[in-house]
Amino acid sequence: QSVLTQPPSVSGAPGQRVTISCTGSSSDIGAGYDVHWYQQLPGTAPKLLIYGNNNRPSGVPDRFSGSKSGTSASLAITGLQADDEADYYCQSYDSVVISWVFGGGTKVTVL
Amino acid sequence: QITLKESGPTLVKPTQTLTLTCTFSGFSLRTSGVGVGWIRQPPGEALEWLADIDWNGEETYSPSLKRRLTITMDLSKNQVVLTMTDMDPVDTATFYCAYRRASHYFAHWGRGSLVSVTS
Repeated sequence: QSVLTQPPSVSGAPGQRVTISCTGSSSDIGAGYDVHWYQQLPGTAPKLLIYGNNNRPSGVPDRFSGSKSGTSASLAITGLQADDEADYYCQSYDSVVISWVFGGGTKVTVL
Repeated sequence: QITLKESGPTLVKPTQTLTLTCTFSGFSLRTSGVGVGWIRQPPGEALEWLADIDWNGEETYSPSLKRRLTITMDLSKNQVVLTMTDMDPVDTATFYCAYRRASHYFAHWGRGSLVSVTS
């Protein structure tokens, strides 16, 4: 069972906006540790999508954005496109158990 | 350009020890703040962080797997090695190594190495 909680799936029509939540606790996100997001396209390795809550690595479209508040974080995808179909994982750090922690992943489906 | 590549057996038997090697380029593990982590993903399941080693040689392990894991680095070969003892079929997974710089995120990942545990 993953430490961070994500919805198993979200879906939207092309062009729509979808959001993915990531809920942690007082020992990880709530302790002030940043949240990072990864995109995993089918059959490929995860790729860093958002780091430090709301920063995009070079090459990531500004359709992807992140936010964090309290013990939770969110990833938003605007202008949903067919090639956004992938699994998305949030990740943070747990200071109590001294571990990097991941969410259970969210599958995004473009209708 | 930072690249990482995992190598090791694709098949191991139950109770055996798994040894995986991550060979990297484009960065040095002598650089302050740099680390390399191992993450696994069972088929159809989520990512699970396993272990990390940093530029200072500091090792960190998943609490639930600590007794079975060892991570080491060979700076002369630009390699990080993960060993996992007492393998079980539930350990079947794709194992990834990833580059971490200063902060707590993994900026670059290898393509992964699928390891199946079966008798």
